[in-house]
Amino acid sequence: SAVISQKPSRDICQRGTSLTIQCQVDSQVTMMFWYRQQPGQSLTLIATANQGSEATYESGFVIDKFPISRPNLTFSTLTVSNMSPEDSSIYLCSVERPPGTEAFFGQGTRLTVV
Amino acid sequence: DAKTTQPTSMDCAEGRAANLPCNHSTISGNEYVYWYRQIHSQGPQYIIHGLKNNETNEMASLIITEDRKSSTLILPHATLRDTAVYYCIVRVAGFGGTSYDKVIFGPGTSLSVIP
Repeated sequence: SAVISQKPSRDICQRGTSLTIQCQVDSQVTMMFWYRQQPGQSLTLIATANQGSEATYESGFVIDKFPISRPNLTFSTLTVSNMSPEDSSIYLCSVERPPGTEAFFGQGTRLTVV
Repeated sequence: DAKTTQPTSMDCAEGRAANLPCNHSTISGNEYVYWYRQIHSQGPQYIIHGLKNNETNEMASLIITEDRKSSTLILPHATLRDTAVYYCIVRVAGFGGTSYDKVIFGPGTSLSVIP
C-alpha cells in the first residue's frame, strides 16, 4: 500500500491567483500522477510527473497553466495558475506501487475559485 | 477515451449481493480488468483486478467472461458504506514487465445501497 498526503485539503481562492498543491508519499515511487475531478464528473488525468524530468501532460492540459515540480522520489507539487471559476475542482495525486499495478490516491484538494 | 461501458446508476438492497456489470468488448489479450470505487469526498480506492480468471479478495469477487468481453464485480453482502461510484478500467498492467498503461477513468456506476 501507499500513504499519500495532500495539502491543502481545501481552499477558496480569488480568480487570477495561483495555488500550489503538495503531494507527499510515504516511500519512494518512480512516477506520480495528477488528476482533476470537476463537479459531478469522473477523474481526468492531467499529467505524469517523473523525478528529474519534465512532466508529461495529457491532451488539453499545458505546463503554463498546470506547472508541476518533482524534486525527489516522495514529493510533487501541482500549481493551478491564473485561476478562473472553471478551475474549481478536486485535484488528486496518485502513485502506483509497484509501477503499473495498483493505484493509490490521496484524499484530494477541493479548490473553489471565486 | 475509456475502453469500458457501465450503467450510469444502480440500486441494491442492504445485505444483498450487488452485481455491477462492465462491458469491454475491445479488450486486448494483455489488458487487465481493474475495479476502483470512490466514496463521496474521498480519493478512489482499489478493489480488485483480473486478467482472465475469476478473482476474489476480502472486498469483492470479479467474474470475467470466457471471451473477456465483459465482467461483473460482486459485492456479496452490500452495506450502506458500499454506496459509491464504481469504476471499471481496462489497461495493460505492469506485472512482469516494464510497459503499462496509465489509469484512465470512465464515468463509472453510481451504486446506492438502500436500507
